[in-house]
Amino acid sequence: GAVVSQHPSWVICKSGTSVKIECRSLDFQATTMFWYRQFPKQSLMLMATSNEGSKATYEQGVEKDKFLINHASLTLSTLTVTSAHPEDSSFYICSARGSRETNEKLFFGSGTQLSVL
Amino acid sequence: DAKTTQPPSMDCAEGRAANLPCNHSTISGNEYVYWYRQIHSQGPQYIIHGLKNNETNEMASLIITEDRKSSTLILPHATLRDTAVYYCIARKNNAGNMLTFGGGTRLMVKP
Repeated sequence: GAVVSQHPSWVICKSGTSVKIECRSLDFQATTMFWYRQFPKQSLMLMATSNEGSKATYEQGVEKDKFLINHASLTLSTLTVTSAHPEDSSFYICSARGSRETNEKLFFGSGTQLSVL
Repeated sequence: DAKTTQPPSMDCAEGRAANLPCNHSTISGNEYVYWYRQIHSQGPQYIIHGLKNNETNEMASLIITEDRKSSTLILPHATLRDTAVYYCIARKNNAGNMLTFGGGTRLMVKP
């Protein structure tokens, strides 16, 4: 299956700093990427949908100015958590759908564990 | 997308078949049944999906009832590495359509 690479796998940062998470589609062009967040022992919650070359669509309750999403190319989307606070500590996961793939499967990155001190 | 209902947890003995049920009584005709699993601290992994017919691949089998209101994921010979949370999701195959995750079933494979 298609490969989605997510980096970094884990990050620890101080409160008030910004953290950038990268999501790359390695062997296909991803026209659409989804960003999810997962708190311990909970399910994945969709944060936003990003389409290459256009603004991301955020789910209700997700602050677009805090979680900046850039999908500037067909193989890369980034999520920046700005001015991170301890409550932003979570597992962040990206998912991609390719332009040449059928709409059937979505492929996921390995996730980024963010810990804000 | 239709809501799905799964038992929160199940145990299975290593080497035996694991049968994970999913209820999707309000599924519409153009919604597929997808199964993903998530091993601890990793991203979800695609397992299998189907619309009406039963499906089988190298990982698992998917049995969908004739009325499509429920399905069962079968792992024929469970191993310890199959311990994970299994998510059953009903989803239309539209462009840009994301996956909506419910609570899933936490499968514990025991030696």
